[in-house]
Amino acid sequence: EPEVTQTPSHQVTQMGQEVILRCVPISNHLYFYWYRQILGQKVEFLVSFYNNEISEKSEIFDDQFSVERPDGSNFTLKIRSTKLEDSAMYFCASSPRSGSNQPQHFGDGTRLSIL
Amino acid sequence: QKEVEQDPGPLSVPEGAIVSLNCTYSNSAFQYFMWYRQYSRKGPELLMYTYSSGNKEDGRFTAQVDKSSKYISLFIRDSQPSDSATYLCAMSLYNTDKLIFGTGTRLQVFP
Repeated sequence: EPEVTQTPSHQVTQMGQEVILRCVPISNHLYFYWYRQILGQKVEFLVSFYNNEISEKSEIFDDQFSVERPDGSNFTLKIRSTKLEDSAMYFCASSPRSGSNQPQHFGDGTRLSIL
Repeated sequence: QKEVEQDPGPLSVPEGAIVSLNCTYSNSAFQYFMWYRQYSRKGPELLMYTYSSGNKEDGRFTAQVDKSSKYISLFIRDSQPSDSATYLCAMSLYNTDKLIFGTGTRLQVFP
């Protein structure tokens, strides 16, 4: 069964450094998402992306965050100047079409640890 | 009042038991309801997806939505040790892809 692939599985970064998290969505999917889960808390929506544009973002997704689809297969989340509170699991998801009736399929996440 | 509430558990049951997992929500505008299963160190895996009030069955799993009470449930019949995981409810509004998750209920099925 096709799956969403995320790399690396664990990223350790010094506070203030830039980090890029990578995702390969399911190949025929057109809508892409990032969520995060701080340890012990809920999974939270960050951003949705379609046709090379952000379609929706949460208040968490401020100017330090950006997303990009640099080629036909990868989808990336960049955090420009990391803070301690950015430590979390980051999940990428994809769906074939938009709309709440199109279930999102998740990758296994990247655990980001900021020191 | 939290938007989506879910008892964190843990819920511990013997193999073969019927498990009932529940979420309540406050926003009556939620239209789509999902249940995800999350094993340790893995991402959420979609189990069930429902739109309207009523029941939806898939194998040993039944999802139930009661919009009038703002309450959703997931039933697992003949539970197995391999069902041991965290179960997340999620829901969304009609005009958005943003999923709102519950905190998850940790389920343990012992042999």
